[in-house]
Amino acid sequence: DQQVKQNSPSLSVQEGRISILNCDYTNSMFDYFLWYKKYPAEGPTFLISISSIKDKNEDGRFTVFLNKSAKHLSLHIVPSQPGDSAVYFCAASEIGTASKLTFGTGTRLQVTL
Amino acid sequence: GAGVSQSPSNKVTEKGKDVELRCDPISGHTALYWYRQSLGQGLEFLIYFQGNSAPDKSGLPSDRFSAERTGGSVSTLTIQRTQQEDSAVYLCASSLGEANVLTFGAGSRLTVL
Repeated sequence: DQQVKQNSPSLSVQEGRISILNCDYTNSMFDYFLWYKKYPAEGPTFLISISSIKDKNEDGRFTVFLNKSAKHLSLHIVPSQPGDSAVYFCAASEIGTASKLTFGTGTRLQVTL
Repeated sequence: GAGVSQSPSNKVTEKGKDVELRCDPISGHTALYWYRQSLGQGLEFLIYFQGNSAPDKSGLPSDRFSAERTGGSVSTLTIQRTQQEDSAVYLCASSLGEANVLTFGAGSRLTVL
């Protein structure tokens, strides 16, 4: 039972354009959401997060949007750069269990020149 | 150390053998986690250590899996009588206390023939 779903396994975007990565979840107990980025042969690195009390969080070129009623979040990268090419994982944790993250299967983003 | 260190980076073993995977977390990080990523899957939580508290072993898939953390620092994940379905990348992470933002190691890729 996949509680965090990333339905697009891959995405290709031209440099300078916007990249939008989507994530859906089913567990209504999730209250904190994160995006991690992973390069080949490296561990995932934290990118940006959002608490369920917010609907938007911005950090430079990266913005995460949360729609609680739709149980949907998205990561916007603008403008996209070739160095953004990586696998992006959406993750979530339940109230009171910050230690246990549930991850999606990832979306591979390729930013082309 | 500067980051989370894992060894070995690659391990090929025969079905039925035992394997040990090692994790050296960031100095000062009290929380340590083990996740695994099987082919085409998201990261799956295995076990969590926080200070001197009893570990959260709720993610261990079977009693063939065990982990210990000695002296609040280095951790070893042991898989006994390995099976082919144990083939995966095993990722260790650490954090300052119980937190959502984890720092991951590069992982240990286990292949069971």
